[in-house]
Amino acid sequence: AQSVTQLGSHVSVSEGALVLLRCNYSSSVPPYLFWYVQYPNQGLQLLLKYTTGATLVKGINGFEAEFKKSETSFHLTKPSAHMSDAAEYFCAVSDRRYGGATNKLIFGTGTLLAVQP
Amino acid sequence: DADVTQTPRNRITKTGKRIMLECSQTKGHDRMYWYRQDPGLGLRLIYYSFDVKDINKGEISDGYSVSRQAQAKFSLSLESAIPNQTALYFCATNDRANSPLHFGNGTRLTVT
Repeated sequence: AQSVTQLGSHVSVSEGALVLLRCNYSSSVPPYLFWYVQYPNQGLQLLLKYTTGATLVKGINGFEAEFKKSETSFHLTKPSAHMSDAAEYFCAVSDRRYGGATNKLIFGTGTLLAVQP
Repeated sequence: DADVTQTPRNRITKTGKRIMLECSQTKGHDRMYWYRQDPGLGLRLIYYSFDVKDINKGEISDGYSVSRQAQAKFSLSLESAIPNQTALYFCATNDRANSPLHFGNGTRLTVT
């Protein structure tokens, strides 16, 4: 079955430092891949998605992610953290194998990002 | 106005009570979902509906039921609430397979 693993339930960085949030998936066929962000007391918002084409995907708020098939990874990065980036981040996958019509998203367990001044 | 509206935002109820969480959307999407969020477990799918006449169980449907009253409305019911159903519940929509989900702001449910 499709699954997604996020390494590190809590990540803390200093303001201005690199942000790296890890996501690995398990699938024999590269899935559709998504990163969502959840700010306090809000629902999830889409940061970026990979479906096909270029493996480096740029999203909102300066975030980007690179799809690496050989590593089954889709890590999220941002060169310089800002205080407003403090939130919980979720990686999600959708299985590409079954024609797509009934596909649903499977979410990782989330990574809570803290940004220290 | 929010595209996906969930009511209530917070609810405290007692064990054994029946409770309904409501979701409405103005996106015009056919697909609607109910997820449950628990700390350390991420989001888990409870039920989903791809159109008004289509209802499907997700990975954790036991203890829950749903009703799709219209394209825009999708309600989640707990027939007899129990404490381990204390969680944050999210409704979401999208317009086709693998397109991004649009989420409501959630309902925080506490069962005492």
